[in-house]
Amino acid sequence: DAGVIQSPRHEVTEMGQEVTLRCKPISGHDYLFWYRQTMMRGLELLIYFNNNVPIDDSGMPEDRFSAKMPNASFSTLKIQPSEPRDSAVYFCASSLPPTGGDEKLFFGSGTQLSVL
Amino acid sequence: GENVEQHPSTLSVQEGDSAVIKCTYSDSASNYFPWYKQELGKRPQLIIDIRSNVGEKKDQRIAVTLNKTAKHFSLHITETQPEDSAVYFCAASMNYGGATNKLIFGTGTLLAVQP
Repeated sequence: DAGVIQSPRHEVTEMGQEVTLRCKPISGHDYLFWYRQTMMRGLELLIYFNNNVPIDDSGMPEDRFSAKMPNASFSTLKIQPSEPRDSAVYFCASSLPPTGGDEKLFFGSGTQLSVL
Repeated sequence: GENVEQHPSTLSVQEGDSAVIKCTYSDSASNYFPWYKQELGKRPQLIIDIRSNVGEKKDQRIAVTLNKTAKHFSLHITETQPEDSAVYFCAASMNYGGATNKLIFGTGTLLAVQP
């Protein structure tokens, strides 16, 4: 497996524009997570899915953020409209269920978002 | 909800010395505590984890200790090497029968090992 795949690697946009980040989890992983990384706050959990269903979106900062998982192999995180304070690295991660004792998160390579 | 605090934010040691990073958590129901290492420009990767039914776990030069009463856990790296230089994140989650896998991370520790 190629691991968790995120696109794009880098995104530069202007304030007010819509931004869509994409993620393909590892095949067979039931859990998918979106994290945001900044110097000040470290890794913040935005939302996570189990079997394509959003379980906890309490970390989504505002209504400008939305996430979907239409099938087991694809998820998107959308910001509309984007603002400069959204600039960060956005990581997608996937994992197996914790029942098997192997709930290690596998992270994608991240999307570096810059909102000008 | 769970809150994880991590100290120090930066740590500089000489090669060969030991490094200790400490974390505290707020939710006494948390039972899984992993540590992730993130090298510059790379993705975080799991290096060691511990569950609430044990107090210590070792893997070569790294070890993690857990004090459930005090709700804190620590990462210990012995005989540090330049390649240990990275950002280290602690995390906590409450996993019960597969019901959840919600990892909350600390803010990270930048470890610099001076040759």
